[in-house]
Amino acid sequence: AQSVSQHNHHVILSEAASLELGCNYSYGGTVNLFWYVQYPGQHLQLLLKYFSGDPLVKGIKGFEAEFIKSKFSFNLRKPSVQWSDTAEYFCAVNNYGGSQGNLIFGKGTKLSVKP
Amino acid sequence: AAGVIQSPRHLIKEKRETATLKCYPIPRHDTVYWYQQGPGQDPQFLISFYEKMQSDKGSIPDRFSAQQFSDYHSELNMSSLELGDSALYFCASSFRSPGGSNEQFFGPGTRLTVL
Repeated sequence: AQSVSQHNHHVILSEAASLELGCNYSYGGTVNLFWYVQYPGQHLQLLLKYFSGDPLVKGIKGFEAEFIKSKFSFNLRKPSVQWSDTAEYFCAVNNYGGSQGNLIFGKGTKLSVKP
Repeated sequence: AAGVIQSPRHLIKEKRETATLKCYPIPRHDTVYWYQQGPGQDPQFLISFYEKMQSDKGSIPDRFSAQQFSDYHSELNMSSLELGDSALYFCASSFRSPGGSNEQFFGPGTRLTVL
């Protein structure tokens, strides 16, 4: 079974600062990786996903993530954050590798952007 | 495009009461997953169904049961509710059959409050 670790519990940035949120997973085989965003009181929204191919994945709202297989990492980045990016961000991976099984989520990183 | 529908969106119950949450997957999706997200927590997998059969089981209490019906909608039945059951309950659906990506699409969630 998989596990996912997100390194930062709470990140506080000023508007226009750059963002990088760390995510590491444990499974060594084929993986599908996801980043979800959850605005306060809202449901999970998919930001981006990696299934295969180009390890640099672009998502919605200017977010991107890079899959580095040798480091078991899938870090989320955004060059310039906005106040509206204030939310909680979850990294996730399929439990049994590839596309199989339920999603295993990291503990989440709460992002607060100061105007 | 049609999305995952969950009902009710909000539910308030007393301790020891029962609750039934419903999930209507995206048309043609054959798999349903249930997740529980406690306050300030990451989503935890409860149970999943594929083609109306239980597929996998996570940290679902014995007081809870679930099923998937012939029209692929699913219901999560919760009995002897406890204060700790207060959470956001997400349903996700996917198309797992050959040719499907098995990518999970999340519903808006049901917020259950147990008083």
